Amino acid sequence: EVVLAQSPDTLSLSSGERATLSCRASQSVYSNFLAWYQHRPGQAPRLLIYRASTRATGIPVRFSGSGSGTDFTLTISSLEPEDSAVYYCQQRISRGTFGQGTKLEIK
Amino acid sequence: EVQLVESGGGLVQPGRSLRLSCVTSGFSFRDAAMSWVRQAPGAGLEWVGFIRSKGLGGAIEYNGAVEGRFSISRDDSGGVLYLQMNSLEEEDTGVYFCTREISHLGASDYWGRGTLVTVSA
Repeated sequence: EVVLAQSPDTLSLSSGERATLSCRASQSVYSNFLAWYQHRPGQAPRLLIYRASTRATGIPVRFSGSGSGTDFTLTISSLEPEDSAVYYCQQRISRGTFGQGTKLEIK
Repeated sequence: EVQLVESGGGLVQPGRSLRLSCVTSGFSFRDAAMSWVRQAPGAGLEWVGFIRSKGLGGAIEYNGAVEGRFSISRDDSGGVLYLQMNSLEEEDTGVYFCTREISHLGASDYWGRGTLVTVSA
């Protein structure tokens, strides 16, 4: 099983600041089958990024993904209040696994 | 508009069974891979299992924690995904989401809002 470790567990930043979220895999995620999701309480999770760096349809350009192999990053360039949520990375090279999540709070 | 609507959750005793349904619309269900993801109270997301379209072989995969107890199936004529859950344990408590998976994306692009399953005596 591919284990994904996200860091930090919690991030507290102000509107307009830059957020950098990390996801590290226990083995290489080939073809970069690594996705990022945003999950707000009471809502369905929302796909932000797939194949490590491609924005999903309708996702604002302030969200970007990078990385390959075992190290991946989600960057939110200029935070908005509505970005407050839990963010998960997920791999699908084998049976799917998610990271434990990073909770992003906007001060 | 793509819609995924889960139902069938509720309170059930340990050891009993429950079947969840996910009614879909707005896309060609028979050509889609589908999956189930769950979230225990206060915890993160957990991938439960996946079913490929019949046209691509219909393969089914499960999380090791549910393999042998849970079964995924699909009704392509009605656009419905199912999750049959047997021998339920308290650890199976949570919100269950159905998703549409896009194989070449390696991701789920549409999600339902979930249905709550509570396993308790």
